[in-house]
Parts: sequence; C-alpha cells; structure tokens
Amino acid sequence: SAVISQKPSRDICQRGTSLTIQCQVDSQVTMMFWYRQQPGQSLTLIATANQGSEATYESGFVIDKFPISRPNLTFSTLTVSNMSPEDSSIYLCSVVRQQMNTEAFFGQGTRLTVV
Amino acid sequence: AQKITQTQPGMFVQEKEAVTLDCTYDTSDQSYGLFWYKQPSSGEMIFLIYQGSYDEQNATEGRYSLNFQKARKSANLVISASQLGDSAMYFCAMREATRGSGGSNYKLTFGKGTLLTVNP
Repeated sequence: SAVISQKPSRDICQRGTSLTIQCQVDSQVTMMFWYRQQPGQSLTLIATANQGSEATYESGFVIDKFPISRPNLTFSTLTVSNMSPEDSSIYLCSVVRQQMNTEAFFGQGTRLTVV
Repeated sequence: AQKITQTQPGMFVQEKEAVTLDCTYDTSDQSYGLFWYKQPSSGEMIFLIYQGSYDEQNATEGRYSLNFQKARKSANLVISASQLGDSAMYFCAMREATRGSGGSNYKLTFGKGTLLTVNP
C-alpha cells in the first residue's frame, strides 16, 4: 500500500482567507486526485492532478477556487481560496498506481472549518 | 441518476456476528471496478476490498468478502465476526472505464455510505 501524508490534518480558518493542503506520497504515482466530503455527505471528486500539466476539474469546481499544483510524481497541493463557511469539509487526496489499478489509497484527510 | 446506491443509512450488528452492507451500481461499461472503504470518525478513508468486473471469484480480504452478483449489479460487503472497532461509515465506490483524459478514467464515484454500529 502507498503511504500518503496529508497536512494539515485539521484547521479552522477565517472566511475570505485561503488554505493550502499538502499531499506527499512515499513513492512515485501517476495519478493523484482531490476529493471533498461535505458534512454528512459522500465524497465528491474535485479534480485530477497531473504531473507536468494542468489539473482536470470536475463539473462544479473551478481552478480559481481550487488551484492545484503537481510539481512532481510524489507531491501535490490543493488550495481552497477565498473561503466561506460552505467550504467547511473534509478534503482528501487519493493516489492510484497505474500498474496497480485495483487499489486506490487516501490520505488521512484535512478537516476544514471556516468561521 | 445515482451510479452507486447504498440503501442502508445505518446498520446495527452484535459483536461477533456477520453483517452485510448493500451496494448496487449502474454502469453500461463492461470493464469497471468496485471498491469498499471504511471511514472511522477520524475521517481517514481505509481501503478494504476490490472487485473487478471480470473477476470470476468473489474478492476476500480477511474478515471482509464481497458478494458480487454481476447480473443484479450488486456488490455487497460481508463482514464476518464483527468487532467493536468495525463501527464506522462504509462507502461503496465504482471506477468506470471512462474515456476521459488526464487520468480521470481512474476516478471513483461513491455511494452515500452506511453507518455501521457494532454493539457489545
């Protein structure tokens, strides 16, 4: 299994500010994904983070609100910009190794509360 | 329309008994994968088990097994000999062979989850 370190694990932020979440993997992975889980809800994919190119965003998510970086094959960041209370969620990164597509692993998650 | 349906918002089971968590899915793809995850109150997502659409045998991982009925499009999770530590949210997810680019063909679609409570 992949070891994924995600930080911060939780944060309380003021509305209007931005938070950058980091995801570090212990080995090179082709695909990294960012998901959001709103309170009491299931997980929804925000975007796919591609190394060397722009992230691919799902419907309802835009780069200005959720800019993503993927500088190399072991690291990615997700920024939640200009936060509002509606952004309070758990944010999770996930990785898939292309040669082992029977597994998809998640980081510990970042529990964000916007006040 | 929902692609993953988990009809049980909550389930209760006595310690040491077996429990089945239901999951049905909807896809027109021939190639797809089904996953189950456990999410304790800490929020992390723990991978439990995987079933490929072409796998002829039901997947098993320790106390977890997946009752895969392809014709019914169901992929129920069976937990044997429940333990108190099994109390958590359980999510069923599907990966379809989409034709997207940039790795999106590996994205997962999740059900709404089932909250399992194991009673002593």
